[in-house]
Amino acid sequence: AQSVSQHNHHVILSEAASLELGCNYSYGGTVNLFWYVQYPGQHLQLLLKYFSGDPLVKGIKGFEAEFIKSKFSFNLRKPSVQWSDTAEYFCAVNGRGFKTIFGAGTRLFVKA
Amino acid sequence: NAGVMQNPRHLVRRRGQEARLRCSPMKGHSHVYWYRQLPEEGLKFMVYLQKENIIDESGMPKERFSAEFPKEGPSILRIQQVVRGDSAAYFCASSPPRGDEQFFGPGTRLTVL
Repeated sequence: AQSVSQHNHHVILSEAASLELGCNYSYGGTVNLFWYVQYPGQHLQLLLKYFSGDPLVKGIKGFEAEFIKSKFSFNLRKPSVQWSDTAEYFCAVNGRGFKTIFGAGTRLFVKA
Repeated sequence: NAGVMQNPRHLVRRRGQEARLRCSPMKGHSHVYWYRQLPEEGLKFMVYLQKENIIDESGMPKERFSAEFPKEGPSILRIQQVVRGDSAAYFCASSPPRGDEQFFGPGTRLTVL
């Protein structure tokens, strides 16, 4: 069955701490991988995406993610978080042209 | 280029009424997807449509829910005889033909009283 698992539902960090959010997926065939962010009261925005090529992907706002095919993982990282990174983060996977499967989300709260 | 547009942004209905949610995809996008986000949950796929065709409706509840994407005009997600459990945020996304990335609208927050 197709699924996306995000390891942490809630994360609390202090500013300048490093962030890593785990994501594992189960999906047959070639996959595209995404991380979306939803700031309070706003809609989903794309942080970064992986389609092919270099498994280390850099996105907006200093975020990056690494695709490890052997582990079916696509973890999100940021070396130093800011208060403005407080949001909910969703890992997602799809195959070409088909529905996107989302993880349950991780709520990040950054203490100023 | 305007993004994906959804209206209304907020919709309040009483139990038993009908809810109609509209989604206008980005210009040049012919694929539309609907997702539902329940409180404390991630987005759940509902339906994938192309112009005048339903491609995948595996996530749609069997009763009361329907979706269309006519040749002209926005995509419509219709919920008949709403119940409290239908209260959620409904997001629409669109993509171009043979596109892998989906672009999301701001969502419609449905509240059923």
